[in-house]
Amino acid sequence: GENVEQHPSTLSVQEGDSAVIKCTYSDSASNYFPWYKQELGKGPQLIIDIRSNVGEKKDQRIAVTLNKTAKHFSLHITETQPEDSAVYFCAVLNTGGFKTIFGAGTRLFVKA
Amino acid sequence: SAVISQKPSRDICQRGTSLTIQCQVDSQVTMMFWYRQQPGQSLTLIATANQGSEATYESGFVIDKFPISRPNLTFSTLTVSNMSPEDSSIYLCSVEWTAYGYTFGSGTRLTVV
Repeated sequence: GENVEQHPSTLSVQEGDSAVIKCTYSDSASNYFPWYKQELGKGPQLIIDIRSNVGEKKDQRIAVTLNKTAKHFSLHITETQPEDSAVYFCAVLNTGGFKTIFGAGTRLFVKA
Repeated sequence: SAVISQKPSRDICQRGTSLTIQCQVDSQVTMMFWYRQQPGQSLTLIATANQGSEATYESGFVIDKFPISRPNLTFSTLTVSNMSPEDSSIYLCSVEWTAYGYTFGSGTRLTVV
């Protein structure tokens, strides 16, 4: 089955710096790659996603890149702000199977 | 996106008892998903609930321990039965909203003592 690895497990950056979180997956049939943000006491929230026919997608300060050949994708947050502090989960889905596999999570701390 | 109301938000329960968690969605959805998130861990799918049929359970989860109901297209319940301290977790329901992306409830934080 699909295996998703996420790194780093913890990331601390200064406000204004960039943060990058990386995930690798094993199943070449996976074709949908969302990122979720989970704040304390809340459920995960979808913040950006990318499909396998696209190499990069941006939404304001957030971007996701996908390298299908190498089977990895990354979340990029620019100009980080304290409110970006949260746990971020990558996920992988083969849309024919309807089962999303989540990475282990990255706890991001943005220091003011 | 869909709005999910999940109840209770937290509970402390005695071992050997059962707790039923409710999940109400403000729109009709085909599939609802139940996840477990152990402290500091990732999300593990417990089961997928379709209206009008039995839930489909993932490896390691059984219906006797986690019975699920799905009486209509906007509501589901998950029961954690005969609880032990190992069942202490956050339980989350979710629905597919954007194409393949999920919306999650705020979770039920369960502590078993």
